[in-house]
Amino acid sequence: QKEVEQDPGPLSVPEGAIVSLNCTYSNSAFQYFMWYRQYSRKGPELLMYTYSSGNKEDGRFTAQVDKSSKYISLFIRDSQPSDSATYLCAMKTDSWGKLQFGAGTQVVVTP
Amino acid sequence: GAVVSQHPSRVICKSGTSVKIECRSLDFQATTMFWYRQFPKQSLMLMATSNEGSKATYEQGVEKDKFLINHASLTLSTLTVTSAHPEDSSFYICSARGPRNQETQYFGPGTRLLVL
Repeated sequence: QKEVEQDPGPLSVPEGAIVSLNCTYSNSAFQYFMWYRQYSRKGPELLMYTYSSGNKEDGRFTAQVDKSSKYISLFIRDSQPSDSATYLCAMKTDSWGKLQFGAGTQVVVTP
Repeated sequence: GAVVSQHPSRVICKSGTSVKIECRSLDFQATTMFWYRQFPKQSLMLMATSNEGSKATYEQGVEKDKFLINHASLTLSTLTVTSAHPEDSSFYICSARGPRNQETQYFGPGTRLLVL
């Protein structure tokens, strides 16, 4: 079993819809959770960072962490074609800051 | 803030040659940098953790003599692919621990390597 599970998609939504992404993980010691966005042939860009359980909102993006279920989510409201990208969840695994990534979910927002 | 650059962005080389990729933190000091490899439609695979002034820590299965990493300053880490072969063709991405939030990593734009 992988430490971090993420559905690779693709996930296709119409413009304006809510995009819902999630990851599950197996290591209950994980405390720091991140979402990255990666456009094709580019490096990942940090979108959201959350410590422990709870919600965090930044503009159209909302990140949720449920440590009891080992489940994290990212919601994108009012999705735009420019949101079409691969979204990777990541979790900090050690004191050096090493991250464990999910497989990435490809999102396609159609006009 | 927290900008990471990579050079070159794209390189084509002949089999058997060595290629050096530079990773720079432009507006902050990075004591720890990471090197990843990414194949098409796959996630990031960590190759090594690079700490300024000390030897890199390689992940299992990554050949340290083939992928030489040097982190000589707080703003520069280099990855040298020695005696490159076509199977080394890939997208190489570096990252640096965030200056204000060291739980996060900031990524460079990546280097596409094609070995002929």
